[in-house]
Amino acid sequence: GAVVSQHPSRVICKSGTSVKIECRSLDFQATTMFWYRQFPKQSLMLMATSNEGSKATYEQGVEKDKFLINHASLTLSTLTVTSAHPEDSSFYICSARPPGTPVYEQYFGPGTRLTVT
Amino acid sequence: LAKTTQPISMDSYEGQEVNITCSHNNIATNDYITWYQQFPSQGPRFIIQGYKTKVTNEVASLFIPADRKSSTLSLPRVSLSDTAVYYCLVGAFRGSARQLTFGSGTQLTVLP
Repeated sequence: GAVVSQHPSRVICKSGTSVKIECRSLDFQATTMFWYRQFPKQSLMLMATSNEGSKATYEQGVEKDKFLINHASLTLSTLTVTSAHPEDSSFYICSARPPGTPVYEQYFGPGTRLTVT
Repeated sequence: LAKTTQPISMDSYEGQEVNITCSHNNIATNDYITWYQQFPSQGPRFIIQGYKTKVTNEVASLFIPADRKSSTLSLPRVSLSDTAVYYCLVGAFRGSARQLTFGSGTQLTVLP
């Protein structure tokens, strides 16, 4: 089956610094990837849609200057949390779908646990 | 997007059949029903999808009545490893860039 990986799985950073999270589709190409955020005991919240070769589309309330998304290739999207603060501590998850797969069948990465101290 | 309502939590015992019902009264004609499973500290995993009647795969069954205002995910003979959050999603999943919108989900706890 299709595999989506994320790196790192866990990251701890100090307040005010930036951290980059990678999302890779290992065995398929994805023109679109999605980024979600999940706080403890809560559901997934869509942050943005990452489009290869063009600007990302952000959901309402998500600061595009704080959460920088770059989809530089058909297998890699990156999310950079800039000037991180403790309230940005969360579980970040990406998803993608192989071409020809039904639209409702997304493949999710294992997630990245971000802790800002 | 149609709003979905699921029980917050359910408990079951190993070996039992578990049925999780999702209410989606405002489902539209071209909406599909999809269920995902999420283990702690992992990304969700697609379980099953359906439009009407019954769908079965190697993991679960999905029952959808004629009015499609609800759906029931059925997990046969659950084990401890089925403890997870189960999400019901409803949407017109068409187009290449359709994102998924997750509701609150149901925490299923399987007890020994």
